[in-house]
Amino acid sequence: RKEVEQDPGPFNVPEGATVAFNCTYSNSASQSFFWYRQDCRKEPKLLMSVYSSGNEDGRFTAQLNRASQYISLLIRDSKLSDSATYLCVVSSGGSYIPTFGRGTSLIVHP
Amino acid sequence: EPEVTQTPSHQVTQMGQEVILRCVPISNHLYFYWYRQILGQKVEFLVSFYNNEISEKSEIFDDQFSVERPDGSNFTLKIRSTKLEDSAMYFCASSGAPKNTGELFFGEGSRLTVL
Repeated sequence: RKEVEQDPGPFNVPEGATVAFNCTYSNSASQSFFWYRQDCRKEPKLLMSVYSSGNEDGRFTAQLNRASQYISLLIRDSKLSDSATYLCVVSSGGSYIPTFGRGTSLIVHP
Repeated sequence: EPEVTQTPSHQVTQMGQEVILRCVPISNHLYFYWYRQILGQKVEFLVSFYNNEISEKSEIFDDQFSVERPDGSNFTLKIRSTKLEDSAMYFCASSGAPKNTGELFFGEGSRLTVL
């Protein structure tokens, strides 16, 4: 079973749309959760951490469901510049090594 | 804004040759990592480094690989006797958290092409 699973997409949405991505993780002892963004052939960049109570940063909202072992990312009012791959990252256990999902591709079109 | 820098940005090598990829982490960070990403695939953990020694390594990080922090600022990944399947983007990352929380700062990567 893969440690961190994501729907690879692509999600193809018009500007202004709301889009949501989910990610599931296998290790129930996971401690820390993040969403990263990766543009084509670039390095991953931290988008936001995911807290148990859920958190929002502008148009982006992240949620954590520990019981079901998934995290989500909601993007409201999509912009063309949101087009990228969104990586779910989970740190587990004593080593806290961040493990990446394969990413979900988002394409926002005019 | 402090950043992680990596060199070279792209290296082409012949199969069987040794390559050294270099990284300068953010200066006050304590945890250093190498990840790799084969084209079209996910970002994979190779090794983490703390207090001048390897703290964790993945099954990918076999005897072909080694890491060093030779001078207190550089952090290098050496790949001995490269194979075709070593072709990938290699990312260095650093973290300043006392206990890593996954908030990694990545360099722009070194693209390795093995012919």
